[in-house]
Amino acid sequence: GDSVTQMEGPVTLSEEAFLTINCTYTATGYPSLFWYVQYPGEGLQLLLKATKADDKGSNKGFEATYRKETTSFHLEKGSVQVSDSAVYFCALSSSNFGNEKLTFGTGTRLTIIP
Amino acid sequence: GAVVSQHPSRVICKSGTSVKIECRSLDFQATTMFWYRQFPKQSLMLMATSNEGSKATYEQGVEKDKFLINHASLTLSTLTVTSAHPEDSSFYICSASDSLNEKLFFGSGTQLSVL
Repeated sequence: GDSVTQMEGPVTLSEEAFLTINCTYTATGYPSLFWYVQYPGEGLQLLLKATKADDKGSNKGFEATYRKETTSFHLEKGSVQVSDSAVYFCALSSSNFGNEKLTFGTGTRLTIIP
Repeated sequence: GAVVSQHPSRVICKSGTSVKIECRSLDFQATTMFWYRQFPKQSLMLMATSNEGSKATYEQGVEKDKFLINHASLTLSTLTVTSAHPEDSSFYICSASDSLNEKLFFGSGTQLSVL
């Protein structure tokens, strides 16, 4: 079945550091790929997505590129801020906006220190 | 923007009791809602998919008689953990599909601890 393997946390970085959170997947067909973020006390929010190979999703300075050849969707940000502290989930779905079953990774807790 | 409200955020109960978790879509109609749970250091796993006015579809390995899901209106779905046991202690989270706008929204989750 489908699965998502995500970099284990927690991850602690200093402000303005470069961030990479690795995500690889196993799926049949051509899934859509997502990154969700959960800030303390809030629900998961869609951060970015990519629906086909070589697409790059981007939002709030975060980027991830759908790499079919390496089955990866790594999340990157060039300069993190304290406000980026949250839990990040990589996920895949057979639908473009994830209204069908989402398969999640374990989540990565990110803490940014000033 | 659209919000999904999930309550309670945290509940502690005794073994053998039942616990109800509510999930409400506040400003859109959700014909489909999803219930997930997450055990420590594991992935969020889909438990069931509920469509308004019909029976929920449960994932393999999820006991439908233990995890009762009701989706009686377009804005409310409930998950009842019946006769809870310590192994049911987990983080439960709902999501609601706004098909009109092709968006999916999540609640903030419920941490259930069964003593």
